[in-house]
Amino acid sequence: AQTVTQSQPEMSVQEAETVTLSCTYDTSESNYYLFWYKQPPSRQMILVIRQEAYKQQNATENRFSVNFQKAAKSFSLKISDSQLGDTAMYFCAFIAYSGAGSYQLTFGKGTKLSVIP
Amino acid sequence: NAGVMQNPRHLVRRRGQEARLRCSPMKGHSHVYWYRQLPEEGLKFMVYLQKENIIDESGMPKERFSAEFPKEGPSILRIQQVVRGDSAAYFCASSPLATENYGYTFGSGTRLTVV
Repeated sequence: AQTVTQSQPEMSVQEAETVTLSCTYDTSESNYYLFWYKQPPSRQMILVIRQEAYKQQNATENRFSVNFQKAAKSFSLKISDSQLGDTAMYFCAFIAYSGAGSYQLTFGKGTKLSVIP
Repeated sequence: NAGVMQNPRHLVRRRGQEARLRCSPMKGHSHVYWYRQLPEEGLKFMVYLQKENIIDESGMPKERFSAEFPKEGPSILRIQQVVRGDSAAYFCASSPLATENYGYTFGSGTRLTVV
């Protein structure tokens, strides 16, 4: 079974500070992609950053970066210079072949991040 | 360039009624996925469709739920005889290809409330 675990249900950070959200996953597939999605109160799912499993270099997107440890099956998200607009639920996800004819996106339960002024 | 469009945004149904949720994928996307999000949970896969075909329905409840993606028109997720436990946010996503290197584009979801 393919699973994603986010061990921090809630986190808070002071505005302008840095915060790291944790994620571990389990899959037997060798080819897969990892993602972090943001879900603000509007409910829209917004792709924050993606990482190819075969790439050793960690992905970076402006203030967002990841620490991808393939052997440990760990994929954490670092948000630098936190802004009030970063307040949202953050979901870690990966996509791999499901064995049933499709590539399924599997999500963790999410981390609720609050940025404090 | 419109994104994935879902309607209605909110839907209230009484127990026993039918719910029909619509999803229009992004232009050029022929692969549609439906996900369900229960309160305080992540999104769970339900079904994957291409035009006129159901490819993977391994996440779909066996009874009362069905999905279609006709040649013309939006994809429809249909829930018959709704029960309180069906209350959730239902998300549709689309992608241009069925490979692992695309993060899907999601719609804003339909929040179904069963009263």
